[in-house]
Amino acid sequence: QKEVEQNSGPLSVPEGAIASLNCTYSDRGSQSFFWYRQYSGKSPELIMSIYSNGDKEDGRFTAQLNKASQYVSLLIRDSQPSDSATYLCAVFAGGTSYGKLTFGQGTILTVHP
Amino acid sequence: NAGVTQTPKFRILKIGQSMTLQCTQDMNHNYMYWYRQDPGMGLKLIYYSVGAGITDKGEVPNGYNVSRSTTEDFPLRLELAAPSQTSVYFCASSYGTGDYGYTFGSGTRLTVV
Repeated sequence: QKEVEQNSGPLSVPEGAIASLNCTYSDRGSQSFFWYRQYSGKSPELIMSIYSNGDKEDGRFTAQLNKASQYVSLLIRDSQPSDSATYLCAVFAGGTSYGKLTFGQGTILTVHP
Repeated sequence: NAGVTQTPKFRILKIGQSMTLQCTQDMNHNYMYWYRQDPGMGLKLIYYSVGAGITDKGEVPNGYNVSRSTTEDFPLRLELAAPSQTSVYFCASSYGTGDYGYTFGSGTRLTVV
């Protein structure tokens, strides 16, 4: 059973701080990694994807991947109250997975003014 | 471009009733997926399809059925609804290569009483 694990939180940070969300995965051969943001009562929205070891930056978001440690993280700089949401980590195992993603249980982030 | 459209948005079913959740996409994606999301549990794959006429079970298929007669449509059928099927259901589509993640529909909130 391929697993993706996240700390369910809630993670609470003050406005302007850096929020750090973490995710580990069990399948060492996994190829692609995604972070989705989900507001309460809404559908998940893709915010970051990463495929190679290292960092990938997009605006206030940075995704970090370490395949040796089977670890992927999302940093949100200058956190805003509008960033308050559940963040889902998703992993694509590759091979004959037919594009299927395995999701973690999500981390609830609260940014307080 | 509508993306992925799900209907209905909300539904209350009585135990033993049946219903079909509709999902349509206009992005010409071959790959489509049905997930359910329970509180704190992340997204669990019910069924998926890699093209018209081709479907397969995911992680939690019991109590559900699917069909894929066209590229655009991927309905999910619930037979003999049970309280355990109370959940939020999301349909998603993708190119299937694992490189681009999913586009999600807006979801169907189903309650079985």
